[in-house]
Amino acid sequence: EVQLVESGGGLVQPGGSLRLSCADSGFTFSSHWMHWVRQAPGKGLVWVSRINIDGTTTTYAESVEGRFTISRDNAKNTLYLQMNSLRVEDTAVYYCVRRGGSGTFPFDSWGQGTLVTVSS
Amino acid sequence: DVQMTQSPSSLSASVGDRVTITCRASQIITHYLNWYQQKLGTAPKLLIYAAASLQSGVPSRFSGSGSGTDFTLTINSLQPEDSATYYCQQSYYTPPTFGQGTRVEIK
Repeated sequence: EVQLVESGGGLVQPGGSLRLSCADSGFTFSSHWMHWVRQAPGKGLVWVSRINIDGTTTTYAESVEGRFTISRDNAKNTLYLQMNSLRVEDTAVYYCVRRGGSGTFPFDSWGQGTLVTVSS
Repeated sequence: DVQMTQSPSSLSASVGDRVTITCRASQIITHYLNWYQQKLGTAPKLLIYAAASLQSGVPSRFSGSGSGTDFTLTINSLQPEDSATYYCQQSYYTPPTFGQGTRVEIK
């Protein structure tokens, strides 16, 4: 069974940095594209970033482009999200998500989420 | 970005009712439409992919239909454990985008 476990969330001041991690157990991490999706308190789901299998291709939402960096270490089965220049509006639960291979590439496995709070 | 619009935003129904949620895309996305269920305080869970394919382990009372720009999620014989927020998502264009969600409450 797929299990994705995020860590690294917490309280940070505006302008600060955090690095989120997502550790996989139970599936072939290196065979899947991986994504980050966030959810502000009481709001809907918003896609943040994605990375291909070997880490050579990354894509970002406009709202985080230039501030966030997604990366992966396939040897450690771990996905990362480096978040710099954080803003109040980045406050959200961040989910690590696996992209499935079933035709339309749905998000078929989600971590439990880690809360990032940006506040002074 | 492709805008996904769900309706209704919320609904209340009784156990055993048939519930229908619609999702409309601002551009044609063929069958690249997925549905998720999110219960309070938990991560989303994939229900339906490719508009009409049931994810493994999901009860058969859930079904999806549609193509192009208009899609439907149907819950036949609503159960108490179906109380949740449901999201549609398109995976045809980058960035992938979600609908605003439909909250389903049990009367």
